[in-house]
Amino acid sequence: GAGVSQSPSNKVTEKGKDVELRCDPISGHTALYWYRQSLGQGLEFLIYFQGNSAPDKSGLPSDRFSAERTGGSVSTLTIQRTQQEDSAVYLCASSQTTGEGNEKLFFGSGTQLSVL
Amino acid sequence: GDSVTQMEGPVTLSEEAFLTINCTYTATGYPSLFWYVQYPGEGLQLLLKATKADDKGSNKGFEATYRKETTSFHLEKGSVQVSDSAVYFCALLSGGSYIPTFGRGTSLIVHP
Repeated sequence: GAGVSQSPSNKVTEKGKDVELRCDPISGHTALYWYRQSLGQGLEFLIYFQGNSAPDKSGLPSDRFSAERTGGSVSTLTIQRTQQEDSAVYLCASSQTTGEGNEKLFFGSGTQLSVL
Repeated sequence: GDSVTQMEGPVTLSEEAFLTINCTYTATGYPSLFWYVQYPGEGLQLLLKATKADDKGSNKGFEATYRKETTSFHLEKGSVQVSDSAVYFCALLSGGSYIPTFGRGTSLIVHP
């Protein structure tokens, strides 16, 4: 597609349920990022993929969070046993990796997750 | 570690007013600096960037100058429009890293 696509755009779930968030990056972009945007907190880094591997997953807040990327394309962020503090907008971004160190990120519109 | 500090919002201005949104940073080495903008209901998009000291990034009437001596990258626009209402994020990317660090964002509201 022309841009980064995220689904669903909104997700309401009950505390304790598992959720899966999907990201379709721009075709050909090897780098993929997940960030979390909480009210008043700015963007919090979660995980970075280069191809199918995740060289940096240091931002995942707990072992309830996991992510995978297949075929160097689509990524899924899974949150198990959701808690109310997981409520936030989850943003996905992708970029080409040119090695110049100033890559531009292209963001999706995000998934608004609400845990009741 | 790396960090970015932005002025608290919201910033509320009348149309055609002068805009400054302050951004300062802490990083090792010589990072690249960015401003991203998030319009209502949309994803973040790159507004401008600068990759070395004294560089000036500019786009859509916005400007920001990379000031190494003050570790700042303030965003300015001479005459804002209602359509500039959005959330603005300052970000940095340290040399050797592929993971940008973002500030908290500053909401700008422009009234007619």
